[in-house]
Amino acid sequence: NAGVTQTPKFQVLKTGQSMTLQCAQDMNHNSMYWYRQDPGMGLRLIYYSASEGTTDKGEVPNGYNVSRLNKREFSLRLESAAPSQTSVYFCASSEVEYQPQHFGDGTRLSIL
Amino acid sequence: DAKTTQPNSMESNEEEPVHLPCNHSTISGTDYIHWYRQLPSQGPEYVIHGLTSNVNNRMASLAIAEDRKSSTLILHRATLRDAAVYYCILRDQETSYDKVIFGPGTSLSVIP
Repeated sequence: NAGVTQTPKFQVLKTGQSMTLQCAQDMNHNSMYWYRQDPGMGLRLIYYSASEGTTDKGEVPNGYNVSRLNKREFSLRLESAAPSQTSVYFCASSEVEYQPQHFGDGTRLSIL
Repeated sequence: DAKTTQPNSMESNEEEPVHLPCNHSTISGTDYIHWYRQLPSQGPEYVIHGLTSNVNNRMASLAIAEDRKSSTLILHRATLRDAAVYYCILRDQETSYDKVIFGPGTSLSVIP
């Protein structure tokens, strides 16, 4: 049982490039989330999807877009990457909104 | 927003019990108390959650104060693998969860 799978695990971008971070879960969960974690800090919620077909902004949505492709997949897109977006990105899912979340192993993103 | 406060760091000797405190003085009646931990270079891992009563599972115990303004995560016998950052967060089952906030957590060191 894979749980939450994130790809890629590492990525280096140049300022202004775009890319999409992929996330898939195999637990039939309804809710999915994207967080970022900067060095020495806690996690900050970027976007979430309460259920298939819905997405909402979290604490730090600027510079990002998301797509809930289907129940399994939730992608995060950086349209024009900036050095301030250098971070570790975590995807998570939960059965419903207030239930415990299951996290992926993260994508380490560096923007030069 | 309901928030939590935790000590920045704690130390414990191996094989001794560890009590990790969390204050949440503005907790609402519908907030669940969740604990997660994050091992180095990994995504957060769910530990335990509760609403009003004390809870036990194979990983830990959660003791919730009678007024619910504080809680304590108890690791009964610390091992070296328990060295991690521990996060206490509140999850409201009735409102949108863009208010979910992971603070810096408590960094637990386990001394052999």
